[in-house]
Amino acid sequence: KQEVTQIPAALSVPEGENLVLNCSFTDSAIYNLQWFRQDPGKGLTSLLLIQSSQREQTSGRLNASLDKSSGRSTLYIAASQPGDSATYLCAVRGNTDKLIFGTGTRLQVFP
Amino acid sequence: ETGVTQTPRHLVMGMTNKKSLKCEQHLGHNAMYWYKQSAKKPLELMFVYNFKEQTENNSVPSRFSPECPNSSHLFLHLHTLQPEDSALYLCASSQDNGLNTDTQYFGPGTRLTVL
Repeated sequence: KQEVTQIPAALSVPEGENLVLNCSFTDSAIYNLQWFRQDPGKGLTSLLLIQSSQREQTSGRLNASLDKSSGRSTLYIAASQPGDSATYLCAVRGNTDKLIFGTGTRLQVFP
Repeated sequence: ETGVTQTPRHLVMGMTNKKSLKCEQHLGHNAMYWYKQSAKKPLELMFVYNFKEQTENNSVPSRFSPECPNSSHLFLHLHTLQPEDSALYLCASSQDNGLNTDTQYFGPGTRLTVL
């Protein structure tokens, strides 16, 4: 049974710092891995999707990497801003319609 | 604006009530999903509909009853719920290309409180 773990559970950093969020999964037989952002009381916004054949994806200040064999992904956020404050969720997809989610990392960037 | 809308945004109901959650997607997708998000737990997939047919029921109690009349609308009918059913219920949609590579787009959710 696939399990997804995210560390740290919460992170508080000053504005301008580069930071790394971690995601690990127990079954490496995945089709893709996706990073989402969730603002308080809101739905999820997809940030980056990495296919199993890819090593990384970039969008603006965000870079996500995938090491499928070791069951790990990282989300790198460069030059963090207060507007980046949110919960970041990692989800993996196997050979079904199911996305298996981690419990998220709650990020606070203070000015 | 994600193209997926949900109503109502907030709902408070008693254990004997019957209510329905509505989801509508304006993205032309062919797959729709219901998820449950409880405090301090990962999102849990409840149901999947693909081309209006239910393809996944993730061992959800029968007090939750989904309905998908067409590929743009998805309902979740609720009856005789328990307080532990209080959670954020999220709807999502995707364009299923059969390759498991599609992105899911989420609605804002309905915050449900069962008294």
